[in-house]
Amino acid sequence: GAVVSQHPSWVICKSGTSVKIECRSLDFQATTMFWYRQFPKQSLMLMATSNEGSKATYEQGVEKDKFLINHASLTLSTLTVTSAHPEDSSFYICSAPNPRQGTDQPQHFGDGTRLSIL
Amino acid sequence: GDSVTQMEGPVTLSEEAFLTINCTYTATGYPSLFWYVQYPGEGLQLLLKATKADDKGSNKGFEATYRKETTSFHLEKGSVQVSDSAVYFCALTAGTASKLTFGTGTRLQVTL
Repeated sequence: GAVVSQHPSWVICKSGTSVKIECRSLDFQATTMFWYRQFPKQSLMLMATSNEGSKATYEQGVEKDKFLINHASLTLSTLTVTSAHPEDSSFYICSAPNPRQGTDQPQHFGDGTRLSIL
Repeated sequence: GDSVTQMEGPVTLSEEAFLTINCTYTATGYPSLFWYVQYPGEGLQLLLKATKADDKGSNKGFEATYRKETTSFHLEKGSVQVSDSAVYFCALTAGTASKLTFGTGTRLQVTL
């Protein structure tokens, strides 16, 4: 079935570093992908909707310049956390709409990326 | 706007106990309802779903019934196992674009 791959699964880096997270749809094309952030013991917060070939749509309160999203192809979206600081440490999850909607789940999720900023 | 309310956790049960996790929703139109499960350190997996009123979703011994009259989709399991320990999210989609609205999640801890 359709699968979404997210990489890396875990990253630890120094404060001030920029970190890129990749989200790939493996056997289907995704013109839209979603990026979520999950704080410890809390729910998923939708950060932005990534749109292939155009600008991402950010949710209210999410800093566009801090969380750069690029959706350059139909199978790849990237989230770059720029100049990361300890407060950016979190679990980031991407998802892509299921191309066979109506018969299955609405989105396929990646396994998430745990980002730790020292 | 759309919203999902879940009971707060954590929920701690002994193995073989009965589980109920409450979920209620507010949505325009006729949403589809889902339960997702997140095991430690992993992403989300769809557990079950229901797309219209009175539908019952079921999987791995878990069940939930779409109750339009009470706007609820409570998750139940007759006999939990240690391996069921995870965080459970109730969610809905309404309208377009498969956009999911999640509840806050309920952590379940099952002990021997």
